[in-house]
Amino acid sequence: EAQVTQNPRYLITVTGKKLTVTCSQNMNHEYMSWYRQDPGLGLRQIYYSMNVEVTDKGDVPEGYKVSRKEKRNFPLILESPSPNQTSLYFCASKSPPLSNTGELFFGEGSRLTVL
Amino acid sequence: GENVEQHPSTLSVQEGDSAVIKCTYSDSASNYFPWYKQELGKRPQLIIDIRSNVGEKKDQRIAVTLNKTAKHFSLHITETQPEDSAVYFCAAKAPGYSTLTFGKGTMLLVSP
Repeated sequence: EAQVTQNPRYLITVTGKKLTVTCSQNMNHEYMSWYRQDPGLGLRQIYYSMNVEVTDKGDVPEGYKVSRKEKRNFPLILESPSPNQTSLYFCASKSPPLSNTGELFFGEGSRLTVL
Repeated sequence: GENVEQHPSTLSVQEGDSAVIKCTYSDSASNYFPWYKQELGKRPQLIIDIRSNVGEKKDQRIAVTLNKTAKHFSLHITETQPEDSAVYFCAAKAPGYSTLTFGKGTMLLVSP
């Protein structure tokens, strides 16, 4: 089954405690991306990756890091989480990256609370 | 960069009524306009899309129209049903770019 898998799905943490949200896709997609969803603000892109070892900032990259060492994985790293990073996070993938064909597949989401 | 405005932010209709959600975009080069539906607690999923060489596209009870001159596109849902209740996102993408720019979403509530 084609899917994008995120872990953890739910996490409560404290300010400053480093955490990683993993994302893995089994569709051999080149393009992967992270979004955060906040009430009234919609889906805002954090980082994206066109392929292995190629990453770029989205609209709201501050406080986040990513890496793309393997095609299937695109972890989101919060080095020092703060309460304003409390949000619902979605990983997504598609292929080919620049084409107007192909659905953007979203993971199930990771709800993060930073106290 | 691209900017997508979406209206209304919330929409309440009675079952059987039609619903219309409107979006405007800023980049005249954008040529791909998908719509995603997000049910409560679920992930967004593509429901319909339209490319700039087409003015209208239908799929059963949903349709999307595009006015390139005015730079706006709309989602039309006819004969709404309670299962249509969800948040709907419009998006736009320009050629040569990988990123979709999303609108802020419309919460549609269909009352029985």
